[in-house]
Amino acid sequence: KAGVTQTPRYLIKTRGQQVTLSCSPISGHRSVSWYQQTPGQGLQFLFEYFSETQRNKGNFPGRFSGRQFSNSRSEMNVSTLELGDSALYLCASSNSAIQETQYFGPGTRLLVL
Amino acid sequence: GENVEQHPSTLSVQEGDSAVIKCTYSDSASNYFPWYKQELGKRPQLIIDIRSNVGEKKDQRIAVTLNKTAKHFSLHITETQPEDSAVYFCAAGGGNKLTFGTGTQLKVEL
Repeated sequence: KAGVTQTPRYLIKTRGQQVTLSCSPISGHRSVSWYQQTPGQGLQFLFEYFSETQRNKGNFPGRFSGRQFSNSRSEMNVSTLELGDSALYLCASSNSAIQETQYFGPGTRLLVL
Repeated sequence: GENVEQHPSTLSVQEGDSAVIKCTYSDSASNYFPWYKQELGKRPQLIIDIRSNVGEKKDQRIAVTLNKTAKHFSLHITETQPEDSAVYFCAAGGGNKLTFGTGTQLKVEL
C-alpha cells in the first residue's frame, strides 16, 4: 500500500495570509491526525478526524481548523498566519477509531515571513 | 491534559553499547505508548509500541517496558549501531490522540 502523502511539501507565506494543507491517508485508513512540529515546542497534537468527524482537538487557537472528506482525505487550514506558525505540519493515519498505530506522512514545511 | 516528560535530551554511546531512554506520563487514562524514530529531514517512524495491558515488549534489539503504577515507560536499544543515530520520541495517549515527549538525540559513535 502507498504510504501517507501530504501536499504541498514546502510552502512560503506572509503574515496575515491563510494556507490549506492536504493529507491523503493510507488506503483503508479512516482516522487522520494532525501535528505541528517545531524546534521549541516539539510535536504537538492539533486535531483528529474519523469518518468526517472531528473527535479530538488540541490546544491551538481557532485559526487552526480542519476537515475530512468522504474518501478520508483531510485538509487543515490556518488563517491569519503568524510568524510563530512556521513549522513542519505532519499528518498521521490509522485504521481504527481506537488507538492503533499511527503512520506519519512526510510533512509540509511552512515558512511564514 | 496529558503531560509527557522524556530524559535524557541527548545521549551519546559507543557502538555496541546499550541505550536507555525514559519517559513519564501524567494521565492514568493513557493506554497506548509508542516510540518513534526521526532521522534528520524525515518523517517520524514507529519503532515499537506497547499497550497498557502489557508490561514489556521486545523486537530484536529494541525493547520497551511499562510501569503503569509509576506511570513511566522506557526504551532499551541493545548492540547499538551507527544507523541507530536519530531523535527518538516517546508518546502517550489513546483514541488516536498522542502527547509526545520532547525527544532524545541519540548519537552512536564508532
